[in-house]
Amino acid sequence: AQTVTQSQPEMSVQEAETVTLSCTYDTSENNYYLFWYKQPPSRQMILVIRQEAYKQQNATENRFSVNFQKAAKSFSLKISDSQLGDTAMYFCAFMKRGSNYQLIWGAGTKLIIKP
Amino acid sequence: DAGVIQSPRHEVTEMGQEVTLRCKPISGHNSLFWYRQTMMRGLELLIYFNNNVPIDDSGMPEDRFSAKMPNASFSTLKIQPSEPRDSAVYFCASSYREGGEAFFGQGTRLTVV
Repeated sequence: AQTVTQSQPEMSVQEAETVTLSCTYDTSENNYYLFWYKQPPSRQMILVIRQEAYKQQNATENRFSVNFQKAAKSFSLKISDSQLGDTAMYFCAFMKRGSNYQLIWGAGTKLIIKP
Repeated sequence: DAGVIQSPRHEVTEMGQEVTLRCKPISGHNSLFWYRQTMMRGLELLIYFNNNVPIDDSGMPEDRFSAKMPNASFSTLKIQPSEPRDSAVYFCASSYREGGEAFFGQGTRLTVV
């Protein structure tokens, strides 16, 4: 069975700093997808970034980028120039290809951006 | 599109009462998920529908929980009878392709007293 581990329950950085959230996963699959979702205090889950395992190039979305290390089964999220609006819970998730869209979720990291 | 719409946003009910949570997925999405989120257990997948058919309900905690999707634009999650341990935020999400984004509703915060 697949598992997703987020080892940092909570992190706090100053506004404008760069922060990296870690995520590791355990799978014997070769074809899968990885996601980072954000849950701000408003409670709504929002996709931040996604990565297809067969792509070696790391995904990037504006200030958000990932460091995908397939052999190490690591999928960290880097937030550059952090903003107060980045304060949220961040969840890493795994989806095996052909799994009927089912997501396996990490426990989340609470990120606080301080002014 | 208005996104995934859930109702109600908040529900407070007494133990033993029936609770029905509602979800309208995004038009054109063929997959619908019900999740439960608690501090203790995080996000748990309760049930998943594809083309209105339940595919996997192994996450439904017990027979008190049931879910239906009578058509492509509506789903319900029912708890009968409700218990205090059912208190949680319940999310509905929809998707249209494997590996794509799951779009979440704003959730229903259920409190059973």
